[in-house]
Amino acid sequence: GENVEQHPSTLSVQEGDSAVIKCTYSDSASNYFPWYKQELGKGPQLIIDIRSNVGEKKDQRIAVTLNKTAKHFSLHITETQPEDSAVYFCAASIIRYSGGYQKVTFGTGTKLQVIP
Amino acid sequence: DGGITQSPKYLFRKEGQNVTLSCEQNLNHDAMYWYRQDPGQGLRLIYYSQIVNDFQKGDIAEGYSVSREKKESFPLTVTSAQKNPTAFYLCASSIAGKNYGYTFGSGTRLTVV
Repeated sequence: GENVEQHPSTLSVQEGDSAVIKCTYSDSASNYFPWYKQELGKGPQLIIDIRSNVGEKKDQRIAVTLNKTAKHFSLHITETQPEDSAVYFCAASIIRYSGGYQKVTFGTGTKLQVIP
Repeated sequence: DGGITQSPKYLFRKEGQNVTLSCEQNLNHDAMYWYRQDPGQGLRLIYYSQIVNDFQKGDIAEGYSVSREKKESFPLTVTSAQKNPTAFYLCASSIAGKNYGYTFGSGTRLTVV
């Protein structure tokens, strides 16, 4: 089955600096890669996603890149702010046939701390 | 506003008791999921359902049961057979059969006392 590895497990940055979280996946059939942000005591929230036919996607201070050949994708947060402090999860998703079950495999999470 | 609601937020279970966690969504999503989250770990799939009256076991279904009698509702029962139930439980929903992100509830923290 699919295996998603996420690094680092913890990350501390100064406010205003950039943060990068990296994930690798094993199944080349994975074709959708969402990222979730989980604040303490809450459920994860989708913040950005990328599909396998796209190499990069940006939304304000957040960007995601995908390298299908190397099977890795990354989350980039620029100009970090204290409210970016949270746990971030990457995921890889497969639907093997139209209308089939969406199999999602999550990474183990990165705890980001932005120091004011 | 559309969303997914989990209740209760905190739940305490005595040894040998069954407890049921509620999950309700008004997003008109066909697919619903239950995940377990332990400290410092990722999300592990317990059960999922793609349509009313049908559900499938996930990776860690032992000691849990679910029902899907209505599209909006997907309750999870933690039975006495689950030997280590203390965890944070997350319910999610999505559009079935398509690669889209999940909408998660705010979670239920279950503690064995």
